[in-house]
Amino acid sequence: DQQVKQNSPSLSVQEGRISILNCDYTNSMFDYFLWYKKYPAEGPTFLISISSIKDKNEDGRFTVFLNKSAKHLSLHIVPSQPGDSAVYFCAASPGAQKLVFGQGTRLTINP
Amino acid sequence: SQTIHQWPATLVQPVGSPLSLECTVEGTSNPNLYWYRQAAGRGLQLLFYSVGIGQISSEVPQNLSASRPQDRQFILSSKKLLLSDSGFYLCAWSRPPDTVAFFGQGTRLTVV
Repeated sequence: DQQVKQNSPSLSVQEGRISILNCDYTNSMFDYFLWYKKYPAEGPTFLISISSIKDKNEDGRFTVFLNKSAKHLSLHIVPSQPGDSAVYFCAASPGAQKLVFGQGTRLTINP
Repeated sequence: SQTIHQWPATLVQPVGSPLSLECTVEGTSNPNLYWYRQAAGRGLQLLFYSVGIGQISSEVPQNLSASRPQDRQFILSSKKLLLSDSGFYLCAWSRPPDTVAFFGQGTRLTVV
């Protein structure tokens, strides 16, 4: 049972434009959501998070939006840069416990 | 500052051989510890997590086991490896009540 889903395995965006990565979840007990970035042969690095009491959190070029009624969150990167090319994972947690990850979306930024 | 060490970085093991992957965390105490696996082309699957010494929760039935002999040490083991155990294994830690988990560099395991 995949509780966190990233339905787009890949996304290609032109440098300077906006990248939008999407994530859906099914478990209503999730109250904290995170995005991680991963390069090949490395561990994921934390990017940005959002609590279920908020609907938006912004950190520089990265903004995460949460729509609780739709059980959907998205990560916006603007402007996109070549160094943003990586696999992005969304994750969710029920009360500061273990993280449940999606399958990941490979983002490619084209010059 | 906190750091996490995971080794080895790569490992090639024959089917039926034992496995021991070690992970240690520095600069924090009483962390939650996790083992994840990323199979080829797939997401991060939680294998085990631990909230304290000797306390291990298993998420999926499998050929692997975990142990936490010390507060900041987490070990992933197998008595006999299967081909299906191949993958990228990641250790992570978090410090409750924070939810953010920080990952090690991972171990690429290939069972041949």
